[in-house]
Amino acid sequence: DTAVSQTPKYLVTQMGNDKSIKCEQNLGHDTMYWYKQDSKKFLKIMFSYNNKELIINETVPNRFSPKSPDKAHLNLHINSLELGDSAVYFCASSQVSSGRTDTQYFGPGTRLTVL
Amino acid sequence: QKEVEQNSGPLSVPEGAIASLNCTYSDRVSQSFFWYRQYSGKSPELIMSIYSNGDKEDGRFTAQLNKASQYVSLLIRDSQPSDSATYLCAVNWIGNKLVFGAGTILRVKS
Repeated sequence: DTAVSQTPKYLVTQMGNDKSIKCEQNLGHDTMYWYKQDSKKFLKIMFSYNNKELIINETVPNRFSPKSPDKAHLNLHINSLELGDSAVYFCASSQVSSGRTDTQYFGPGTRLTVL
Repeated sequence: QKEVEQNSGPLSVPEGAIASLNCTYSDRVSQSFFWYRQYSGKSPELIMSIYSNGDKEDGRFTAQLNKASQYVSLLIRDSQPSDSATYLCAVNWIGNKLVFGAGTILRVKS
């Protein structure tokens, strides 16, 4: 049973294209996240949704638009892809209890390569 | 100023030795602290979480937290080659944001 799943695992595309990454969790968590891990392996949060509501929106270009149709799904759409968008994108989920973030569980990652 | 700092390493230890990984953070109101392990090409996986001052042990792993010094560490006893990975320190920030350090590369040599 996969706890947090992402599709696709690999994504190779040309500059200027639009692409989407999908994430699903079956842990019953109420909060989901998108992280970007660059070539230097630095893991940085991009967005967070709690029960379908956007609660964290870091300084990310408007070309990135998250969407949460329900609390088990969080998708990431990227418009007009640029070379600098090449990275590994991780989805994660957690249960936020009494204002404290419990353990975040990560998906397998999507390696995006923009040519 | 970085919010969560780790020595990037690599930290090299012989098999069977104790590996000591350190992390400092800048926000005094943080309450939750995590150590994740990430193998090359894989996703981060939780090793330990710690919420209060002192030590927390789980098998060969011990997390230590000192909130006054804004310091959290991870000790790995009897290090094995399979422990070779990048270890990420993460600190829960205000607004339930988890901030990660850049990670420490650990190499255990047999």
